[in-house]
Amino acid sequence: DAKTTQPPSMDCAEGRAANLPCNHSTISGNEYVYWYRQIHSQGPQYIIHGLKNNETNEMASLIITEDRKSSTLILPHATLRDTAVYYCIVRVAGGSQGNLIFGKGTKLSVKP
Amino acid sequence: DVKVTQSSRYLVKRTGEKVFLECVQDMDHENMFWYRQDPGLGLRLIYFSYDVKMKEKGDIPEGYSVSREKKERFSLILESASTNQTSMYLCASNRRVGFGNQPQHFGDGTRLSIL
Repeated sequence: DAKTTQPPSMDCAEGRAANLPCNHSTISGNEYVYWYRQIHSQGPQYIIHGLKNNETNEMASLIITEDRKSSTLILPHATLRDTAVYYCIVRVAGGSQGNLIFGKGTKLSVKP
Repeated sequence: DVKVTQSSRYLVKRTGEKVFLECVQDMDHENMFWYRQDPGLGLRLIYFSYDVKMKEKGDIPEGYSVSREKKERFSLILESASTNQTSMYLCASNRRVGFGNQPQHFGDGTRLSIL
């Protein structure tokens, strides 16, 4: 299973873009990159996922490097409610169809 | 929006009790999952189900069982609760199509304390 490496914490000013990096140098060709976040005392919230191309939805953008060894989650205009732990996950291939493995994630603090 | 609803946010039970945790999803998802989350250990998969009446063991099934009688409902059962089962329990669901690349959607969790 491909592992991911994320910085343990980051700060961001309210209203500015938050750029959260993730390294996944051992990712295999058919593995997707997923991002989730978890606000204290709540369940993980799905944000976005991608395979090769950059992706954008109403919450965020996902930029994947051409060699797929790293990616960046971008929250374009961070708000205080975006303060959470953000997890970058490479989807485990195989028959279980879902065994998500969360690492330690990045604790993002959005400050006024 | 996908809605995964867990029956209780907080639950306190006693050692030896049989405990039922309920989860319902409203998006007609085929797959449903039960995880527990503990500090420093991340999420660990207990059981999952890919269809009604079907179940598969995850990484830590000991002491737990599950039931899926209807597509939208997946129950986790602690047969005889023990203090080491004190944890945050998370239910998730996703669609089966796409060979596993569908994102999982989580409920808000049940914080279970066993005294």
